[in-house]
Amino acid sequence: EAGVVQSPRYKIIEKKQPVAFWCNPISGHNTLYWYLQNLGQGPELLIRYENEEAVDDSQLPKDRFSAERLKGVDSTLKIQPAELGDSAVYLCASSFSSWDEQFFGPGTRLTVL
Amino acid sequence: DQQVKQNSPSLSVQEGRISILNCDYTNSMFDYFLWYKKYPAEGPTFLISISSIKDKNEDGRFTVFLNKSAKHLSLHIVPSQPGDSAVYFCAAKGRETGANNLFFGTGTRLTVIP
Repeated sequence: EAGVVQSPRYKIIEKKQPVAFWCNPISGHNTLYWYLQNLGQGPELLIRYENEEAVDDSQLPKDRFSAERLKGVDSTLKIQPAELGDSAVYLCASSFSSWDEQFFGPGTRLTVL
Repeated sequence: DQQVKQNSPSLSVQEGRISILNCDYTNSMFDYFLWYKKYPAEGPTFLISISSIKDKNEDGRFTVFLNKSAKHLSLHIVPSQPGDSAVYFCAAKGRETGANNLFFGTGTRLTVIP
């Protein structure tokens, strides 16, 4: 069974540029999560989707971050414009339901210059 | 405010000996605790968990102990193997803190020396 797929794996951009990350969850998983992991820190939840509905986006900086999960499968996380402090690893995870084990993708390492 | 804390950023242990990784939490609403293991360039993978109604859960070489009164849990790995070298994250969640929303600690890098 394929795991959570994320692309790109690495991205280097200049500040003020837009960037987008893509996530394909495990087939059949209804719940999808985006996490931010800063260097030396643990992952922090940005947004949680139940199917196509964002049910918890309280930690998403909405002035520059946006996310979507069209058709309740793949998801895209966007930053526009990127700032130096956005350099981090962005992890996507999925679970069958809100109460089940989360499976993480390998993450996208973003470097903002 | 860090609700889950791992105060030891790193730990080195000889192969065959016991590794003990510690975790503290502050939110008394947490009722389920997990340990994740992370290799470089990979996402965290689930290792073992414990519910707040238990004080111990064992899975092969891995045992997690929970002390609710002290708001403390620990992961014991015995015997430690070189393949156990990774970053270990403690995580917690609770029905009152938002479904499956996990709160992670900052991680402990375990190095098992052959």
